[in-house]
Amino acid sequence: RKEVEQDPGPFNVPEGATVAFNCTYSNSASQSFFWYRQDCRKEPKLLMSVYSSGNEDGRFTAQLNRASQYISLLIRDSKLSDSATYLCVVYILTGGGNKLTFGTGTQLKVEL
Amino acid sequence: DTAVSQTPKYLVTQMGNDKSIKCEQNLGHDTMYWYKQDSKKFLKIMFSYNNKELIINETVPNRFSPKSPDKAHLNLHINSLELGDSAVYFCASSYRGGSYGYTFGSGTRLTVV
Repeated sequence: RKEVEQDPGPFNVPEGATVAFNCTYSNSASQSFFWYRQDCRKEPKLLMSVYSSGNEDGRFTAQLNRASQYISLLIRDSKLSDSATYLCVVYILTGGGNKLTFGTGTQLKVEL
Repeated sequence: DTAVSQTPKYLVTQMGNDKSIKCEQNLGHDTMYWYKQDSKKFLKIMFSYNNKELIINETVPNRFSPKSPDKAHLNLHINSLELGDSAVYFCASSYRGGSYGYTFGSGTRLTVV
């Protein structure tokens, strides 16, 4: 089983739509959670951290359910510029050091 | 201004050659990483260094040897390059712990022919 699982998509949505991505993680020792965004042929960039109480940043809302080991990202009023791959990321601190473990990403295409 | 910079951006080389990729960060972070993104776009950690000390080595072939001369630099040397080494290699950095996320460089696209 992969450590972080996401639906690869692509999700094709019209501009203005609301879209949600889900992610599950297998390691219950995971301590921090993030959504990263990766544009084609570019590096991943931090979109937002995910907090247990849920958090919002403009049109983006992230939720975490530790009991179910589940993370979500909701994008409202999609823009063409939101087209990218969204990476679900978990942070684990172990005796061997900390690392971010990435999901394979969910591709979003926002269309006119 | 660049926070995490990698060179070169593109690298095309023949099988069997030895090549190096350099990475530098000016964020004052004390931990640096190498990640590999393969053709399926899966990002996987290879190494991490904290203050020049190797912390993580994730079952990477011995042909890959990271070197950190100081906490702002982490280089990756690859011996006897193979076709399967073709990928995008990303350098990243963070404060120790990394619980606030990492900052990535723009990547080095390695093609082995």
